[in-house]
Amino acid sequence: GAGVSQSPSNKVTEKGKDVELRCDPISGHTALYWYRQSLGQGLEFLIYFQGNSAPDKSGLPSDRFSAERTGGSVSTLTIQRTQQEDSAVYLCASSLGTGGNQPQHFGDGTRLSIL
Amino acid sequence: AQSVTQLDSQVPVFEEAPVELRCNYSSSVSVYLFWYVQYPNQGLQLLLKYLSGSTLVKGINGFEAEFNKSQTSFHLRKPSVHISDTAEYFCAVSLSGGYNKLIFGAGTRLAVHP
Repeated sequence: GAGVSQSPSNKVTEKGKDVELRCDPISGHTALYWYRQSLGQGLEFLIYFQGNSAPDKSGLPSDRFSAERTGGSVSTLTIQRTQQEDSAVYLCASSLGTGGNQPQHFGDGTRLSIL
Repeated sequence: AQSVTQLDSQVPVFEEAPVELRCNYSSSVSVYLFWYVQYPNQGLQLLLKYLSGSTLVKGINGFEAEFNKSQTSFHLRKPSVHISDTAEYFCAVSLSGGYNKLIFGAGTRLAVHP
């Protein structure tokens, strides 16, 4: 079956612009996660959705970052007024349930480059 | 708070040799343990997980890992590696009583040479 799909796969934009990253989870997966992978910081948790609500946004680095999920499915991560330090690979994952024992399935990521 | 330490940033090994990638964790509460693999320009793929029960866990591609509670370790092993095993490997934990927020180690780059 289809896995987690992320788009675009690559995004190059100028500093100060807004960007939107999209994630389509595996059908039926109620939990959705965003992570950021960068050279200096490794893999960092950003935000977690259960259905359409986000019980944990603790990893969002600043108020320039926001995310939403609609219909219990697609999620978008928005970065406003991008800065060079936002350059990273943004990974989305989904899992069937929310328990800590549920394995997460990852997409291939969006590679974001800020010029 | 939980943390994960992967003791080796890079591990070079010859093809058909055995390999061990080391992972130690720190947590005041029970955790679940995972190993993920990342090939270039791809997302993370689950290799194996420890939830409970037998401390020796077998995963895909011939990998296995052993949970050692007293040493808070979860080392990954393979008896004979292939060139195709060249990738980045990540150890991760999640809280057994919470939701599935993963805390990752810094990763170990496994380079298999002919």
